[in-house]
Amino acid sequence: AQTVTQSQPEMSVQEAETVTLSCTYDTSESNYYLFWYKQPPSRQMILVIRQEAYKQQNATENRFSVNFQKAAKSFSLKISDSQLGDTAMYFCAFLGGTYKYIFGTGTRLKVLA
Amino acid sequence: EAQVTQNPRYLITVTGKKLTVTCSQNMNHEYMSWYRQDPGLGLRQIYYSMNVEVTDKGDVPEGYKVSRKEKRNFPLILESPSPNQTSLYFCASRPTGNTEAFFGQGTRLTVV
Repeated sequence: AQTVTQSQPEMSVQEAETVTLSCTYDTSESNYYLFWYKQPPSRQMILVIRQEAYKQQNATENRFSVNFQKAAKSFSLKISDSQLGDTAMYFCAFLGGTYKYIFGTGTRLKVLA
Repeated sequence: EAQVTQNPRYLITVTGKKLTVTCSQNMNHEYMSWYRQDPGLGLRQIYYSMNVEVTDKGDVPEGYKVSRKEKRNFPLILESPSPNQTSLYFCASRPTGNTEAFFGQGTRLTVV
């Protein structure tokens, strides 16, 4: 069975600094997708970034980028130039052949002014 | 506006009183699913549906029922709620061939 592990329950970062959130996963599948979702205090789940496992190039969306290490089964999220609006819970998620999302337990990020 | 709509947003109920949380999407998506979010556990799938009249259990289906009579609607039914079903619930949908899930606003359920 697939599992997703986020080992950092809480993190904080100063405004304008860079922070990296960790995620590891376990699967025997070779073709799958990985995601980072953001959940601000409004509770809305917002897709931040998506990575396809067959693509070697790391995905980037503006200030958000990932470090995808397929062999190590690692998928970290880097947030550059952190902003107060980045304060949220961040979930790492896996989607494989079962068509079911597997979520990690989340990392609560606080951006400090 | 393309969206997934859940109702109600907040609900406090008593043990054993049947309730339904509605979910509707206007994007003609095939896949729909329900999740519950609990502190320290992340989101866990309760049930999912691949299309009309096709549903299957997720990881935590006990105490829940679903139905998919129409493509746009996927209600979550708690026949006899118990306090351990106090949680934040999300409905999500996505189309075939696309991996991005679209989430509803969430329903905060408290069972006393």
